[in-house]
Amino acid sequence: DTEVTQTPKHLVMGMTNKKSLKCEQHMGHRAMYWYKQKAKKPPELMFVYSYEKLSINESVPSRFSPECPNSSLLNLHLHALQPEDSALYLCASSPAGSTNTEAFFGQGTRLTVV
Amino acid sequence: AQSVTQLGSHVSVSEGALVLLRCNYSSSVPPYLFWYVQYPNQGLQLLLKYTSAATLVKGINGFEAEFKKSETSFHLTKPSAHMSDAAEYFCAVRGRGSGYSTLTFGKGTMLLVSP
Repeated sequence: DTEVTQTPKHLVMGMTNKKSLKCEQHMGHRAMYWYKQKAKKPPELMFVYSYEKLSINESVPSRFSPECPNSSLLNLHLHALQPEDSALYLCASSPAGSTNTEAFFGQGTRLTVV
Repeated sequence: AQSVTQLGSHVSVSEGALVLLRCNYSSSVPPYLFWYVQYPNQGLQLLLKYTSAATLVKGINGFEAEFKKSETSFHLTKPSAHMSDAAEYFCAVRGRGSGYSTLTFGKGTMLLVSP
């Protein structure tokens, strides 16, 4: 199994809503990532988890709250988002501690904030 | 800081023609370089990677790339374009010395293939 599975595929939420994005992988990878991709732009790193601990937060606003409950799951909790947060949110995973392997990406969640 | 620059936001080719997508890197140490492809409304799929084992790297779907240190380049090529190759292509770099695979992407090149 070389898949990273993200749910839901599409999400529309209001600015007062609370929602969560979910990411799952069963490749035994111990590094997991959240990227944000605006339309016609490259992905930008948001968070990195290594061995279930937050290792990198790229100065992301607190309305985005990541969580890594176990080695296979990665969540992104959303609260009080703004319309400019509408984007494709990509999850990725890779072996931790390895320096020459690629990251495997999920299909993404298309988020629209209204 | 390491970075990559992709020349040309759009490249148009005819079906059967050579595909050449350009990527130049900036790095003070030998970099790890990747090419990813993204189809509309989908995630990123790895085409190929350079990890210093060989300068000519072959990937999936007939793509290959050559690492040229003297030119700081890692251009992506395919001898004959197919309609199904139409997509966004991203060059990316990650540095050594990190236990993660965090990637810095170029701005992307949209490949358009006409019949």
